[in-house]
Amino acid sequence: EIVMTQSPATLSVSPGERATLSCRASQSVGTNLAWYQQKPGQAPRLLIYGASTRATGIPARFSGSGSGTEFTLTISSLQSEDCAVYYCQQHNNWPPVLNFGGGTKVEIK
Amino acid sequence: EVQLLESGGGLVQPGGSLRLSCAASGFTFRNYAMTWVRQAPGKGLEWVSTMSISVDSTFYADSVKGRFTISRDNFRNTLYLQMDSLRAEDTAVYYCARDRVEFGGNSPQDYWGQGTLVTVSS
Repeated sequence: EIVMTQSPATLSVSPGERATLSCRASQSVGTNLAWYQQKPGQAPRLLIYGASTRATGIPARFSGSGSGTEFTLTISSLQSEDCAVYYCQQHNNWPPVLNFGGGTKVEIK
Repeated sequence: EVQLLESGGGLVQPGGSLRLSCAASGFTFRNYAMTWVRQAPGKGLEWVSTMSISVDSTFYADSVKGRFTISRDNFRNTLYLQMDSLRAEDTAVYYCARDRVEFGGNSPQDYWGQGTLVTVSS
């Protein structure tokens, strides 16, 4: 089983500053990595797929990078509406076992 | 507009059963794999099950294998999750979600329902 580990658990960032979130896979997943945003009381929203492709309607301040076992989600200039929990998910193996990371909570400093 | 609407959640005793439904609209349902994801109170996301466009291709997390059954009705555009032998640890909000790639294999989920709460307690 591929284990996804996210860090840090909580990230405090000042408005307008950069936020960098990390996700590590226990074995290579190529670029089969997605990022989701979840706000309180809401369903998750797909932000990034294929490690670096923004989903439809996602602002350009969100970017993803990485391959293999190390991945990064960057929010270039944090806005108040970006406060949420962010999850990574691998979708590399077959048959599918769509493991999620434990999440990173982003808050305004 | 793609919409997914879950129903069927509620309070059930340990060992009991429940069937969740997810009514889909706004896309060609039969062309997409569909997935159930759950979230225990205050916890992270946990993949539960995926059903491909082929009705004989179903996949389950180890935590629910042998107890949960995913199915779909492509005429009613509805996804189901039959949950048997329920345990306290199955308590969660259950989300229905569409896999992103049409006719695709393993892919992330691009549309999600609002979720339905299942509580397993005596």
